[in-house]
Amino acid sequence: DQQVKQNSPSLSVQEGRISILNCDYTNSMFDYFLWYKKYPAEGPTFLISISSIKDKNEDGRFTVFLNKSAKHLSLHIVPSQPGDSAVYFCAASYISGNTPLVFGKGTRLSVIA
Amino acid sequence: KAGVTQTPRYLIKTRGQQVTLSCSPISGHRSVSWYQQTPGQGLQFLFEYFSETQRNKGNFPGRFSGRQFSNSRSEMNVSTLELGDSALYLCASRRGTYTGELFFGEGSRLTVL
Repeated sequence: DQQVKQNSPSLSVQEGRISILNCDYTNSMFDYFLWYKKYPAEGPTFLISISSIKDKNEDGRFTVFLNKSAKHLSLHIVPSQPGDSAVYFCAASYISGNTPLVFGKGTRLSVIA
Repeated sequence: KAGVTQTPRYLIKTRGQQVTLSCSPISGHRSVSWYQQTPGQGLQFLFEYFSETQRNKGNFPGRFSGRQFSNSRSEMNVSTLELGDSALYLCASRRGTYTGELFFGEGSRLTVL
């Protein structure tokens, strides 16, 4: 039973355009969400997070949107750059509980120059 | 500040053997988590240790085990290796067990022949 789903295995975007990566979750108890970026031969690195008391969080070119009623979050990258090409993982957990992060299967983003 | 260090980075084993992987967390971090990454499966949670105690365990067979030492360093062991155990094993640390992002190491790439 996959609690965090990233239904698009891959995404290609032109340099300078917006990249939108989507993530759905099934467990309504999740109240803390994170995005990680992973380059080949490296470990995942933290990108941005959002708690369920917010519906938007921005950090430079990266913005995460949370729609609790739809159990959906998305990561927007504007403008996209070739260096953004990586695998992006969505993760979720309970901010108030002693639980591990649950990850999606990842979306491979390719930014084409 | 040194990051999470995992050793060895690469190793090859044969079916039936056992393997031990090591992880040194970021200084001051008391929680260590282990994840398995295989193609198309994302990051699957193995276990989490905090102050030498296993706090959470994922849905893996008993052949997968771990421990944490008083200096927060952690090891994981896989006995009676199977071909399907070939994967990237990632260790991650965080200061406590509640919330906060995980900081990942570069992983140990295990190939089982």
